[in-house]
Amino acid sequence: NAGVMQNPRHLVRRRGQEARLRCSPMKGHSHVYWYRQLPEEGLKFMVYLQKENIIDESGMPKERFSAEFPKEGPSILRIQQVVRGDSAAYFCASNYRQGVSGANVLTFGAGSRLTVL
Amino acid sequence: GIQVEQSPPDLILQEGANSTLRCNFSDSVNNLQWFHQNPWGQLINLFYIPSGTKQNGRLSATTVATERYSLLYISSSQTTDSGVYFCAVAREYGNKLVFGAGTILRVKS
Repeated sequence: NAGVMQNPRHLVRRRGQEARLRCSPMKGHSHVYWYRQLPEEGLKFMVYLQKENIIDESGMPKERFSAEFPKEGPSILRIQQVVRGDSAAYFCASNYRQGVSGANVLTFGAGSRLTVL
Repeated sequence: GIQVEQSPPDLILQEGANSTLRCNFSDSVNNLQWFHQNPWGQLINLFYIPSGTKQNGRLSATTVATERYSLLYISSSQTTDSGVYFCAVAREYGNKLVFGAGTILRVKS
């Protein structure tokens, strides 16, 4: 089992460009979460998705950010017209089920580090 | 929303020493997890412990849910224990976790 795979690991963009971050959950996991870690801070929840559905996007900025988890393929976090404040580490995590205590353990990917010049 | 406070913010240990990290939270929770972020940025889940006590090798954790705190014990620390330790909680059964600011641990040889 390859774990949660994120790519790219490092991404550099100039202001105004688009950033696309990809996340493949662990095999058998159908729940995906995106978190953002600003420098020197803890992680903050952004969005929770199941296949083809956004369940909770209460942590997503209202503009420029979007996420999807299609029926086939990885989950994508898309940031349009990036600004310097978007520079952060973006972590994806997955689990296989909600509502059952043993299933609540999140497995995190290694993160994608976005630098906006 | 729920608040999570971790202490101490920084800790420097000599190899072989023991330590206790604390996590206070402001509301009842059904999900509490401890994570270790190593110097390369990788997040490793250490414990899922909304209540009770668990042990895994040199690490153990205790959560007293009624008093809204959790403790992470590290015994016989090693340099590979260095990194940031995060406590994260959620009120409901789920993973919309709220993270504390972390404890930065440096273990010196």
